[in-house]
Amino acid sequence: KQEVTQIPAALSVPEGENLVLNCSFTDSAIYNLQWFRQDPGKGLTSLLLIQSSQREQTSGRLNASLDKSSGRSTLYIAASQPGDSATYLCAVNDNAGNMLTFGGGTRLMVKP
Amino acid sequence: SAVISQKPSRDICQRGTSLTIQCQVDSQVTMMFWYRQQPGQSLTLIATANQGSEATYESGFVIDKFPISRPNLTFSTLTVSNMSPEDSSIYLCSVVGSGRTTNEKLFFGSGTQLSVL
Repeated sequence: KQEVTQIPAALSVPEGENLVLNCSFTDSAIYNLQWFRQDPGKGLTSLLLIQSSQREQTSGRLNASLDKSSGRSTLYIAASQPGDSATYLCAVNDNAGNMLTFGGGTRLMVKP
Repeated sequence: SAVISQKPSRDICQRGTSLTIQCQVDSQVTMMFWYRQQPGQSLTLIATANQGSEATYESGFVIDKFPISRPNLTFSTLTVSNMSPEDSSIYLCSVVGSGRTTNEKLFFGSGTQLSVL
């Protein structure tokens, strides 16, 4: 059974810092991996999707990498802003059915 | 990308009652998913709702407790039946995006925050 772990569980940084969020998964036979953002009490916003054949994806200040063989993904946020404060979730898709296994999330606080 | 409207956004319910959550998508989608997020936890898949057939439930979830309807390709409902305080969670519907650049990306509704007293 796939297990997804995110470290750290919570992170507080001053504005402007570059930061890295980590995601690890136990079964490397994945179809794709997706990073989401969740604001308190709200639904999820998709940030980046990495296919199993890809190494990284970029969108603005966000860069996600994937090392399938080692079961790891990282989300890099450059020049963090207070508006980046949210919970970031990674989710792994084990098959083409698009049913995701989620990590526990990293709660990020960016202080002005 | 798919635009998903989920209603209600929040509700406070009494123990023993039932609540039906609606999920409306702006385009036809084959698969819709219902997730639960308990307080302080990550998301857990409840079931996959397919049009024209019964929903497929994950381990730990049963149809009597979480009946699902999928009358067409743009709409689904999830009912939380005979509620108890342990059902207090955020419930989210999700669909697979369509189109070349968003294929296989999942999109989520804004969620229904349920509190059971």
